[in-house]
Amino acid sequence: GAVVSQHPSWVICKSGTSVKIECRSLDFQATTMFWYRQFPKQSLMLMATSNEGSKATYEQGVEKDKFLINHASLTLSTLTVTSAHPEDSSFYICSAEENTEAFFGQGTRLTVV
Amino acid sequence: GENVEQHPSTLSVQEGDSAVIKCTYSDSASNYFPWYKQELGKRPQLIIDIRSNVGEKKDQRIAVTLNKTAKHFSLHITETQPEDSAVYFCAASYTNAGKSTFGDGTTLTVKP
Repeated sequence: GAVVSQHPSWVICKSGTSVKIECRSLDFQATTMFWYRQFPKQSLMLMATSNEGSKATYEQGVEKDKFLINHASLTLSTLTVTSAHPEDSSFYICSAEENTEAFFGQGTRLTVV
Repeated sequence: GENVEQHPSTLSVQEGDSAVIKCTYSDSASNYFPWYKQELGKRPQLIIDIRSNVGEKKDQRIAVTLNKTAKHFSLHITETQPEDSAVYFCAASYTNAGKSTFGDGTTLTVKP
């Protein structure tokens, strides 16, 4: 199957700093990628749809100025958590679709201290 | 928007028994229903999926059934093994498999 790679796998940052997470489709092109957030023992919640060459589409309740998404190429989408706070600590996962099947990155564990 | 409900939240079975997890969805436009297995700290892995033009699909010990009229679908695992222990998520989507609404998950424990 297709491979989606996410980097970093985990990151610890101080409150008030920004963190960038990368999501790459390694063996296919993805005009659209999706970003999810998963709190411990909870489900995956869609945050936004990343569109190559245009603005991301955010789900209701997700602050677009806090979670900046850039999809500058057909194989790379980035999520930047700006001015991170402890409540932003979570597992962030991206996905992309290839041949009508979704493939997920390995996730990024963000801890804000 | 779509709303997916999943039951039970936890399920414990003896090795060799069957396990059944049920989900309901609200949006009749949803046409793709995947099931994912997620181990702690790992990415979700697709184990089986079904599309709205099919009522049942089977892959070895795993099967999924879909009732479009009632808007519910179920995962059936037969001859369970300890390595089946994980969290299972159902999901529903329309047009984009990557853009799904997930159920709350079921923690399956298979006791040896």
